[in-house]
Amino acid sequence: AQSVAQPEDQVNVAEGNPLTVKCTYSVSGNPYLFWYVQYPNRGLQFLLKYITGDNLVKGSYGFEAEFNKSQTSFHLKKPSALVSDSALYFCAVRDDQAGTALIFGKGTTLSVSS
Amino acid sequence: GAVVSQHPSWVICKSGTSVKIECRSLDFQATTMFWYRQFPKQSLMLMATSNEGSKATYEQGVEKDKFLINHASLTLSTLTVTSAHPEDSSFYICSARDRGATPLHFGNGTRLTVT
Repeated sequence: AQSVAQPEDQVNVAEGNPLTVKCTYSVSGNPYLFWYVQYPNRGLQFLLKYITGDNLVKGSYGFEAEFNKSQTSFHLKKPSALVSDSALYFCAVRDDQAGTALIFGKGTTLSVSS
Repeated sequence: GAVVSQHPSWVICKSGTSVKIECRSLDFQATTMFWYRQFPKQSLMLMATSNEGSKATYEQGVEKDKFLINHASLTLSTLTVTSAHPEDSSFYICSARDRGATPLHFGNGTRLTVT
């Protein structure tokens, strides 16, 4: 069965510092991995995805994520955090052999202080 | 880019009434749409997969007679919460996938409050 783990409920960083939001996954087949961001009372905005190819994926708003197959991880990173990055971040996985729905992690609240 | 429109964004209804939520793909055809439910400060839980022209596939534990899903066209899926109760109060989010594309596009969600 597919599953996604986001071990941190909250990540706090100071503006200008690098940030990392962790994600690990479990699938039977090859993983399709995604990061989404959610602002209060809003739907999800797509940030980036890994399907195949380079392990380092660059996405929207300066975010990037690195796919690590041996560690089954897909951590979200940004070199310099902004206060406006404060939001709820979801990692999601889809198994290429198990259908089309995305399975989401529990979410990590990112708080960037000025 | 692809846009998914969800309506209404906020609805308050009385216990025992039914509420319909619409999900439309505005600039692409979506053969498959997904309905998620999100409780406060929790993740999105997949409720059902909606396929155009066929019956929806519900996840374990989701009452199909309570959460009626209709995917009548390639651009519209509806979720009807029947005989709503306060415990149905939640944030419902739909999503759709453009053919051949992998990221899901999400609506802005519907906040349902049952009094």
